[in-house]
Parts: sequence; structure tokens; C-alpha cells
Amino acid sequence: EAQVTQNPRYLITVTGKKLTVTCSQNMNHEYMSWYRQDPGLGLRQIYYSMNVEVTDKGDVPEGYKVSRKEKRNFPLILESPSPNQTSLYFCASSFGGEAVTQYFGPGTRLTVL
Amino acid sequence: QKEVEQNSGPLSVPEGAIASLNCTYSDRGSQSFFWYRQYSGKSPELIMSIYSNGDKEDGRFTAQLNKASQYVSLLIRDSQPSDSATYLCAVNEKTDSSYKLIFGSGTRLLVRP
Repeated sequence: EAQVTQNPRYLITVTGKKLTVTCSQNMNHEYMSWYRQDPGLGLRQIYYSMNVEVTDKGDVPEGYKVSRKEKRNFPLILESPSPNQTSLYFCASSFGGEAVTQYFGPGTRLTVL
Repeated sequence: QKEVEQNSGPLSVPEGAIASLNCTYSDRGSQSFFWYRQYSGKSPELIMSIYSNGDKEDGRFTAQLNKASQYVSLLIRDSQPSDSATYLCAVNEKTDSSYKLIFGSGTRLLVRP
């Protein structure tokens, strides 16, 4: 089954404790992206990657890191989480190009205390 | 930062009625437009994509695009309670090296039985 998976689905952590949210897709997509969703603000892009070893900042990259060592995986790293990073996070993937559909993972609800 | 604007709602319609959801965008260069549906706590799923001026129909859904007015809409005919969700408008924006989706904050639709 074609899908985007994320882990963990739910995470409660404390300020400053490094964490990684994994994202994996099995559709051989070149393009992968991370979004955060907050009430009233919609989906905002954190980072995106056009292919292996190619990443770029989205609209809200501060406090986040990413890597793309393999085509299928695109982990999101919070080196020192803060309460303002409490949010719902989505990973998405697609083939490259303009007129393409992005497929979303199930989401990770993160709470930073 | 290019913008995508939607009325947050809620838009309340009776079962069987036509629901009309609207979206405006600021980037005149945008060529690809998408409507996603998102149930509470779930990930966005694509309903429609549209690239040319005019109407595009798919079952009970019709997307309408007017590039001159920078306006895209989604009509849902014979609305059902199961259509109650938040509808996200997304527009593809060209970056220096790629494209990225810009999302509106969504319109919440309530279909009353």
C-alpha cells in the first residue's frame, strides 16, 4: 500500500530534550516536506527536500533540523524543543514538479512541557 | 510571503444543499490549485486539483478557477453530514529552485442533518 508513515504519532516531552520524528514513504517520491499545523494558522512549511542530500528552509524553520540521506526517509529533528513547538506535525511527499499531489502522513501530535 | 485567504467559517448548510467554499490568492504566477479535506485530528486528503480557468467536476465536487480574479472555489452538491470537515485551499508557489504549497487556514463546513 502506498503511504507516508510517521513515528511517533503522539509525543509528550520536556523543554530541551532532543527528539526526532521519523517520516518514511514507499512511493519513490523525490519531494518531501514537513509542516506544522496550529489553530487559526493553517499548515506552515518547516523544511522541504527536493531529493537526497538536497534540503531547504520553508517558512518556519527556526528550531528544527532535517536530513535526507535516503530517498524514502526525511526525519525532523528538534535539538532543544521549546513549548512554542507544541503543535501537530505532518510529513508529506510527492513527485517533483509543480502540478503534483502531495500525500500526507497521519500526523504527529507533539506537546513540549 | 505569498498568501492564500479563506473564510474560517463555520459554514453551516442543511443536508442536501450546495456548499460553496471560496479562496483567494495573491501570487499571479501560480498555476496549480488544490482543495484538501481534513477531518478533525486527521491528515489532509486531496479532493480536487485544477490548473485551467473554468470548472472541473468530479462527482459531487466542482472546482472553479478564475486566474484573472485570483479566485478559486469548491462547490459540494447534495451535501452530506459526512462532508463536515475543514477544507483547505492550497496554491503552488514557485521558489528559486522548486515549488512549494501555500495553504490557506481552512474553512470549516458543517452539514446539518
